[in-house]
Amino acid sequence: QKEVEQNSGPLSVPEGAIASLNCTYSDRVSQSFFWYRQYSGKSPELIMSIYSNGDKEDGRFTAQLNKASQYVSLLIRDSQPSDSATYLCAVKGSGGGADGLTFGKGTHLIIQP
Amino acid sequence: AAGVIQSPRHLIKEKRETATLKCYPIPRHDTVYWYQQGPGQDPQFLISFYEKMQSDKGSIPDRFSAQQFSDYHSELNMSSLELGDSALYFCASSAQIAGYNNEQYFGPGTRLTVT
Repeated sequence: QKEVEQNSGPLSVPEGAIASLNCTYSDRVSQSFFWYRQYSGKSPELIMSIYSNGDKEDGRFTAQLNKASQYVSLLIRDSQPSDSATYLCAVKGSGGGADGLTFGKGTHLIIQP
Repeated sequence: AAGVIQSPRHLIKEKRETATLKCYPIPRHDTVYWYQQGPGQDPQFLISFYEKMQSDKGSIPDRFSAQQFSDYHSELNMSSLELGDSALYFCASSAQIAGYNNEQYFGPGTRLTVT
């Protein structure tokens, strides 16, 4: 049974600061890791994907992966009020490319103006 | 850029009725996934199809079935609906072909209400 754990929050961060979101996963053979942003009542929007240990940067977002510790994180720099949303960590196993994602329960992020 | 299209966007059914949800993937995407998200819950994977063949199966009830057609669109058929089936149903698509990275892109969802 794959499990993905996230702190549900809410995580409150001042505007302009760095928001740090964390995720751990149980299946050691997991290969692909994703961060989605979801506004209330809307669909998940892909923010970042990461497949190898280390950091991956895209604009204000940085994903970090440590497979030995089974840990994934997302940093959001210069946080904006529009970043206020639920952030879902998702994991894909080592099976075929069409495998479904296992999601964490999400972290509710609030950016305070 | 073109996104995943889902229809209908809203659907109201009564208990024991049937429902059919449709999904049209992003052009050139060959894989479709279905997810169910209950109120306050994370998305739960139901089933996926690659090149019209079932690929992976999650927590899909036996009352539900799905298929992918030759034009890659997919339909989720739900029978004997129960109150607990009320949820958002998302379709996602990805491309398995070389040069793509299997990232899943979600459609806007269908909100199903069972009364």
